[in-house]
Amino acid sequence: DTEVTQTPKHLVMGMTNKKSLKCEQHMGHRAMYWYKQKAKKPPELMFVYSYEKLSINESVPSRFSPECPNSSLLNLHLHALQPEDSALYLCASSQVFPSEANVLTFGAGSRLTVL
Amino acid sequence: AQSVSQHNHHVILSEAASLELGCNYSYGGTVNLFWYVQYPGQHLQLLLKYFSGDPLVKGIKGFEAEFIKSKFSFNLRKPSVQWSDTAEYFCAVIPDQTGANNLFFGTGTRLTVIP
Repeated sequence: DTEVTQTPKHLVMGMTNKKSLKCEQHMGHRAMYWYKQKAKKPPELMFVYSYEKLSINESVPSRFSPECPNSSLLNLHLHALQPEDSALYLCASSQVFPSEANVLTFGAGSRLTVL
Repeated sequence: AQSVSQHNHHVILSEAASLELGCNYSYGGTVNLFWYVQYPGQHLQLLLKYFSGDPLVKGIKGFEAEFIKSKFSFNLRKPSVQWSDTAEYFCAVIPDQTGANNLFFGTGTRLTVIP
């Protein structure tokens, strides 16, 4: 299995809702990532987990709460979001240390719309 | 601030024309360099990567890139584009200072190929 699977593909939520995005990989990767991509913009790194521990938080507002319950799963919990948080949220995975054989594998993304 | 720059925001070419997309980075020290492509509505896909060795790197679909360390550049080239190359192209960098596999993207270049 060489895929990163993200669910749901599309999510519409109100500003008072609580929802979660899910990401799963079975490649044995021990690093997992959340990126945010606005329309016609590059992906921006949000969070990095290494060995199931949060290693990078790129100054993301607390209304986004990541969770890595095990080495295969990565969640992004959403609460009290703003309309400007509407974007494509990309999950990726890799081994922890960079090498030629070890590049990030990206999922197809979850498209979030906040009303 | 450290960054990855792509100066061409939108490039329009006719089929069979040659392509060169610019990428410059401002990270010091050793870097690992990548080009990703995002076709409309699809995953980010890796085109090619540079870690060390021959600075001229060949990737998939006839793309190649040249690492010029003195110019902090990693430009993408293709001798003859096809309509199917229409996509968004992202240069990306892993700064080696952290020892981690954290990928940072450039601003992206939209390529439109006219049949």
